[in-house]
Amino acid sequence: KAGVTQTPRYLIKTRGQQVTLSCSPISGHRSVSWYQQTPGQGLQFLFEYFSETQRNKGNFPGRFSGRQFSNSRSEMNVSTLELGDSALYLCASSHSVDTQYFGPGTRLTVL
Amino acid sequence: GQQVMQIPQYQHVQEGEDFTTYCNSSTTLSNIQWYKQRPGGHPVFLIQLVKSGEVKKQKRLTFQFGEAKKNSSLHITATQTTDVGTYFCAAQKLVFGQGTRLTINP
Repeated sequence: KAGVTQTPRYLIKTRGQQVTLSCSPISGHRSVSWYQQTPGQGLQFLFEYFSETQRNKGNFPGRFSGRQFSNSRSEMNVSTLELGDSALYLCASSHSVDTQYFGPGTRLTVL
Repeated sequence: GQQVMQIPQYQHVQEGEDFTTYCNSSTTLSNIQWYKQRPGGHPVFLIQLVKSGEVKKQKRLTFQFGEAKKNSSLHITATQTTDVGTYFCAAQKLVFGQGTRLTINP
């Protein structure tokens, strides 16, 4: 089976712009979670989607949003980018309530 | 909100020495997961613990879940250079500890 794929792998944006990141889960996985990883804050949970419905949400401002499509692919959007949004954005998919598989991440740099 | 404290933040050992990282929560957890992230890589799922007092082994790695389901540990026996990386615990996959970065002197 192919693993979790994320596109793009690297992205450079400027403050105020918006960005959309994409995640394709492992085939058959219906749950997709998004995380932000920074050196200072570590891994922080953004949101989780299951069957196109947001199941859990982390403590991030409304500028961060996401959605999941009927084929389980997911996107997350960050509007009005700030310098502090520079991070590695990780997507993870799971089939059951335990094992979770992470993608390689999208490295976002905000200038 | 829920927090998971993980210690130590860094650990440097000689190859062959043992290594342990600990996670503590102020609240009872339904489960705890452990991940390993190699430098430049992404987190890789190692295991999930669910039961009170549970102990699971994967070769040289031993995972424990406390009786009160508020703490957990990962112990590596006789470290090898391939064990280098950052080890994270995660409460119910939503709240991650800060991670313990393990470096090894060969």
